[in-house]
Amino acid sequence: AQSVTQLGSHVSVSEGALVLLRCNYSSSVPPYLFWYVQYPNQGLQLLLKYTSAATLVKGINGFEAEFKKSETSFHLTKPSAHMSDAAEYFCAVTSYGGATNKLIFGTGTLLAVQP
Amino acid sequence: GAVVSQHPSWVICKSGTSVKIECRSLDFQATTMFWYRQFPKQSLMLMATSNEGSKATYEQGVEKDKFLINHASLTLSTLTVTSAHPEDSSFYICSAPTSTSGVNEQFFGPGTRLTVL
Repeated sequence: AQSVTQLGSHVSVSEGALVLLRCNYSSSVPPYLFWYVQYPNQGLQLLLKYTSAATLVKGINGFEAEFKKSETSFHLTKPSAHMSDAAEYFCAVTSYGGATNKLIFGTGTLLAVQP
Repeated sequence: GAVVSQHPSWVICKSGTSVKIECRSLDFQATTMFWYRQFPKQSLMLMATSNEGSKATYEQGVEKDKFLINHASLTLSTLTVTSAHPEDSSFYICSAPTSTSGVNEQFFGPGTRLTVL
């Protein structure tokens, strides 16, 4: 079984400050991990993904995440927040391969960026 | 990248009516599609896996007779909410996996907002 825990349902940062959104996973098999962003009334857009290659993954919009097996974590960071980063962020896990490829989502973190 | 569309983007209906939502993969074929439901300020909950040419696989607790899924072709899956009631009001999102760099990745539709009066 797989699961994802996102600590902090709401995170507020000032524009220009570091963004850190936390994600811990549980998986009995090697995981594939994803971060998605969702703007109001829209679908999900992939920010980045970990697929067992490099542990430090760079994504779009200046975001990156580091896979730490020893900590079972995949935290999302961005050095300097922009107002346009305000959105809901979801961490997700799946097991690699397989046609069904079910994604298990965390509960989400709403990021607010203050001017 | 791969594009998934949904239609309609929003729908308002009366209680007791049925509503059909379409999910299309525009530039790739998808033998599998996924249907999610998202309540306000909550995460996505997988409802069912749509399989082209065979029956859908429903998650535990999802009524298959209420949420009818048909995967008619390699680019189209439909979700029909039958005899909709106000508690069915939600944001419904579909996704379709395709292989990028040898890894299955899901591409999401823009979602359909269903409001049942």
